[in-house]
Amino acid sequence: AQKITQTQPGMFVQEKEAVTLDCTYDTSDQSYGLFWYKQPSSGEMIFLIYQGSYDEQNATEGRYSLNFQKARKSANLVISASQLGDSAMYFCAMTLNTGFQKLVFGTGTRLLVSP
Amino acid sequence: DADVTQTPRNRITKTGKRIMLECSQTKGHDRMYWYRQDPGLGLRLIYYSFDVKDINKGEISDGYSVSRQAQAKFSLSLESAIPNQTALYFCATSDRARHYGYTFGSGTRLTVV
Repeated sequence: AQKITQTQPGMFVQEKEAVTLDCTYDTSDQSYGLFWYKQPSSGEMIFLIYQGSYDEQNATEGRYSLNFQKARKSANLVISASQLGDSAMYFCAMTLNTGFQKLVFGTGTRLLVSP
Repeated sequence: DADVTQTPRNRITKTGKRIMLECSQTKGHDRMYWYRQDPGLGLRLIYYSFDVKDINKGEISDGYSVSRQAQAKFSLSLESAIPNQTALYFCATSDRARHYGYTFGSGTRLTVV
């Protein structure tokens, strides 16, 4: 079984600043994948970034990077140079690479970017 | 056209009515899923299907049923809708190429009154 914890219900950041959204996970499996999704107010789920448990480098996708600390079981999302359009809900999720491979989601963090 | 299409986008229905939410995909993925999203609870898995003949219950399947009519189509039914089934419902697909990460539909916002 796996579990995702996002302890920040809401975060505020000023435009152009960097922000870190926290995510910790719990699993006894060694092979797994970690994901971040963005959900704007329109409701759709947008894939942002992926990190495999055996990846040695932290994943990066444009302004998004994933700070992966395997020993601490954390997978924090870092957004650099925040933009107003980054205001949204952000979900951390994980899947195990064995068995069913379903995605399990955290409860989300709402990010508000102010001018 | 979207890769994963959900219909309807919004629906209001009365308590006790049967309602079907439909999902179709053009990704060619074998795996399809139905999730519901409630504020503060994230997304929870209702049903999932690995192929047309393989359908499985998720963590919150009570009060729901599904049908996988074809590889591309996966429908969710509420047999007798109740107000606490008011939620945002997502269909999703996955395959190995994206590490089993999902492609989501746009969601169906269902209100049961």
